[in-house]
Amino acid sequence: GIQVEQSPPDLILQEGANSTLRCNFSDSVNNLQWFHQNPWGQLINLFYIPSGTKQNGRLSATTVATERYSLLYISSSQTTDSGVYFCAVGETSGSRLTFGEGTQLTVNP
Amino acid sequence: NAGVTQTPKFQVLKTGQSMTLQCAQDMNHNSMYWYRQDPGMGLRLIYYSASEGTTDKGEVPNGYNVSRLNKREFSLRLESAAPSQTSVYFCASVRGPGNTIYFGEGSWLTVV
Repeated sequence: GIQVEQSPPDLILQEGANSTLRCNFSDSVNNLQWFHQNPWGQLINLFYIPSGTKQNGRLSATTVATERYSLLYISSSQTTDSGVYFCAVGETSGSRLTFGEGTQLTVNP
Repeated sequence: NAGVTQTPKFQVLKTGQSMTLQCAQDMNHNSMYWYRQDPGMGLRLIYYSASEGTTDKGEVPNGYNVSRLNKREFSLRLESAAPSQTSVYFCASVRGPGNTIYFGEGSWLTVV
């Protein structure tokens, strides 16, 4: 099956800093999503982005499908951004969705 | 505006007991999934159903069975619970390949 690697595994920031999270995948995909898991365990959809660039407020994401990676940018981070960020990809050959191990983000005041 | 609904939210089982986690979606989605998430780890796929009437194994299917009861409902059964199955279980659904996946709020299961 497809392999998904996220980096860095852990990231600690001061409030107001910017950050970039990366997701590498090993095969062609028809689905790529970024999620934020909050401290209560809820998985919140951030972006559906199998290719191209999207922005939503302080967050933006870019997927370069031909080079098999996606980036999530967080600007002017806030303490409420803390949590785990997951990338999930769907292979073009089927319906399975595979998750990366996540990036644990801590934003300190 | 329910989306994906899982029950129960919390459950404690004794080793060897059986139970069923229920999942229902009201978005007319074709595909449904069960994932488990162990502490500090990502989500691992247990079983999925690409469409009504079909089910397939994911990465970690041992010790579980599933039933796609109809288009709306996808249940996960533990026949003989083991402590290694202590985890948070998430149900998810998606219209089809290349669409946004939606998750339920999770079911916290502890096996003692």
